Amino acid sequence: KAGVTQTPRYLIKTRGQQVTLSCSPISGHRSVSWYQQTPGQGLQFLFEYFSETQRNKGNFPGRFSGRQFSNSRSEMNVSTLELGDSALYLCASSLGTLAGGRGTDTQYFGPGTRLTVL
Amino acid sequence: AQSVTQLGSHVSVSEGALVLLRCNYSSSVPPYLFWYVQYPNQGLQLLLKYTTGATLVKGINGFEAEFKKSETSFHLTKPSAHMSDAAEYFCAVSDSWEKLTFGTGTRLTIIP
Repeated sequence: KAGVTQTPRYLIKTRGQQVTLSCSPISGHRSVSWYQQTPGQGLQFLFEYFSETQRNKGNFPGRFSGRQFSNSRSEMNVSTLELGDSALYLCASSLGTLAGGRGTDTQYFGPGTRLTVL
Repeated sequence: AQSVTQLGSHVSVSEGALVLLRCNYSSSVPPYLFWYVQYPNQGLQLLLKYTTGATLVKGINGFEAEFKKSETSFHLTKPSAHMSDAAEYFCAVSDSWEKLTFGTGTRLTIIP
C-alpha cells in the first residue's frame, strides 16, 4: 500500500506570497491532519479534516487554511507569507476512528514539505 | 488539554548499551500515548502506542514502553542500542479528535 505523499517536497517563496501544499493520504484513510515543525516551536498541530469537514483546528492565524476533497486528498494554503512561516509542514493520515473523542488509530506521516520564506 | 514532557533534549549511549528515553504526561482523562521516530529529512514513523490494555507495549525495531499511571510516565526503552537507532524521538498524547500533542523531542546519538 502506498504511503502518504506530499508535494512539493521543497518550496522557496518570498514574503507576502501565498503557497499551497498538497497531501495524498493512504488509500482508505479519511482523516488528514497537518502539522508545522520548526526548531523553535517543535511540532504544532494546524488542523484536521475528516470526510471533507474540518474537525479540529490549532492556534494558528487565519492565514493558514486547508481543505479536503472527496477523495480525501488535502491541501493547505498559507497566504501573505512571513519569514516565521519557514518550516517543515507534515501531513498525516489515519482511519479517523475516535474513542472518547480522541484518536486511537495510527497516524501515518508523509515526508513533509520544506518551505523556506525569504 | 493533554501534554507530554520529554526529559533530555539530547541523549548519548554507546552501541550495545541500554536506551532510555523519558516521557511524562499530563492528562485529565485516560491517556492515549505514542512514540514516534524521525530520521533526518523524513517524516515521523510510529514506534509504538498505548491506548488500553497491557501496560507494557512492544513496538518496532526492538523498542518497548511501559505505561505507569502512578508515575504518569511512558518511557521508551531498548535493551541494546544500534547505530541505526540514531534519530530524533517524539512522545505524543492524543488530545482531541485526531490532534496529537508532541513533546519537544529527544535526539539520540549512538557512540560507536
